[in-house]
Amino acid sequence: GENVEQHPSTLSVQEGDSAVIKCTYSDSASNYFPWYKQELGKRPQLIIDIRSNVGEKKDQRIAVTLNKTAKHFSLHITETQPEDSAVYFCAASGARGGSYIPTFGRGTSLIVHP
Amino acid sequence: DVKVTQSSRYLVKRTGEKVFLECVQDMDHENMFWYRQDPGLGLRLIYFSYDVKMKEKGDIPEGYSVSREKKERFSLILESASTNQTSMYLCASSLVGVLNTEAFFGQGTRLTVV
Repeated sequence: GENVEQHPSTLSVQEGDSAVIKCTYSDSASNYFPWYKQELGKRPQLIIDIRSNVGEKKDQRIAVTLNKTAKHFSLHITETQPEDSAVYFCAASGARGGSYIPTFGRGTSLIVHP
Repeated sequence: DVKVTQSSRYLVKRTGEKVFLECVQDMDHENMFWYRQDPGLGLRLIYFSYDVKMKEKGDIPEGYSVSREKKERFSLILESASTNQTSMYLCASSLVGVLNTEAFFGQGTRLTVV
């Protein structure tokens, strides 16, 4: 099955700096790569996603890049703010059983210091 | 607005008890999932279902079973609760289609087995 590795496990930055979280996946058939943000005590929520036919996607201060050949994808957050502090999960979604199922990385705890 | 609702926010059960965790979604999603979230281990898939009465094992199904009698409801069952099943349990749902879509999560059930 799919295996997703995520690094780093913890990332501490100063407000205004950029943050980068990297993930690798093992199944070349995976075709959908969402990123979720989980604030303390809350449920994970989608912040951005990318499909396998696209190399990069941007939404304001966040961007995601995908390298299908190397099987890795990354989340970039620019001009970080304290409210960006949360746990971020990457996922790779591919066919499994009778449907498409996301496999998650272990998460990155991002801490933005004011 | 998609709603995924888990029946309990907090549960305390005794070792050996049979435990039911209930999840309901209101957006007519075909896929439903149960994940277990532990610090440093991310979101691990226990079971998923892509249709009524259909179920597939995830990555850590041992000690768990599931039931999906109606499309909107997916139940996780701990046949005989053990202390190593103390964890946060997250239910999620998503559409099935040619294109992968995001997963919507419930608020989580924190289960403590004593």
